[in-house]
Amino acid sequence: AQTVTQSQPEMSVQEAETVTLSCTYDTSESDYYLFWYKQPPSRQMILVIRQEAYKQQNATENRFSVNFQKAAKSFSLKISDSQLGDAAMYFCAYRSDMEYGNKLVFGAGTILRVKS
Amino acid sequence: DGGITQSPKYLFRKEGQNVTLSCEQNLNHDAMYWYRQDPGQGLRLIYYSQIVNDFQKGDIAEGYSVSREKKESFPLTVTSAQKNPTAFYLCASSWPRGVTEAFFGQGTRLTVV
Repeated sequence: AQTVTQSQPEMSVQEAETVTLSCTYDTSESDYYLFWYKQPPSRQMILVIRQEAYKQQNATENRFSVNFQKAAKSFSLKISDSQLGDAAMYFCAYRSDMEYGNKLVFGAGTILRVKS
Repeated sequence: DGGITQSPKYLFRKEGQNVTLSCEQNLNHDAMYWYRQDPGQGLRLIYYSQIVNDFQKGDIAEGYSVSREKKESFPLTVTSAQKNPTAFYLCASSWPRGVTEAFFGQGTRLTVV
């Protein structure tokens, strides 16, 4: 079974600085997708960024980028120029690309605090 | 507007009662999921469905039941067999394959009184 591990329960960053959130996963599959979701205090889940495993190029979305290391099964999220609105719980998620039975598996989450 | 709707937002259950949480989507997604979130913790998968009239147990299915009679709807019943049901419940939908993301409802907070 696939598992997702986020080893940092909490992180803090100063406004305008850069922070990296870690995520590792365990799978025997070769085709899959990885996601980072943000959950602000409203508890609404918001997609931050996504990555296809077959793509070597790391995904970027404005101030958000990932470092995807397929061999190491690592998928970290880098937030540049941190803003107060980035404060939230961040979840890493995995989904396989099998024909059937694709669960969306989440890590335990990392609480990000942004200091002004 | 397309989206996924959960109701009610808050739900109170007495000991020994079954309660049903509603989840409806108009995104034409085939796959739907139910997750449980406890305070300060991640999302644990309860049940998921990739097609009408079919669903699979997730990691914590005991004490819960679901049905998928329509593509748009995936209700979750929390039965009296679930000994610790107080939690935040999230429903999501997506295409069953591909890089497209899952869309989430706004959640239901269930409290046992």
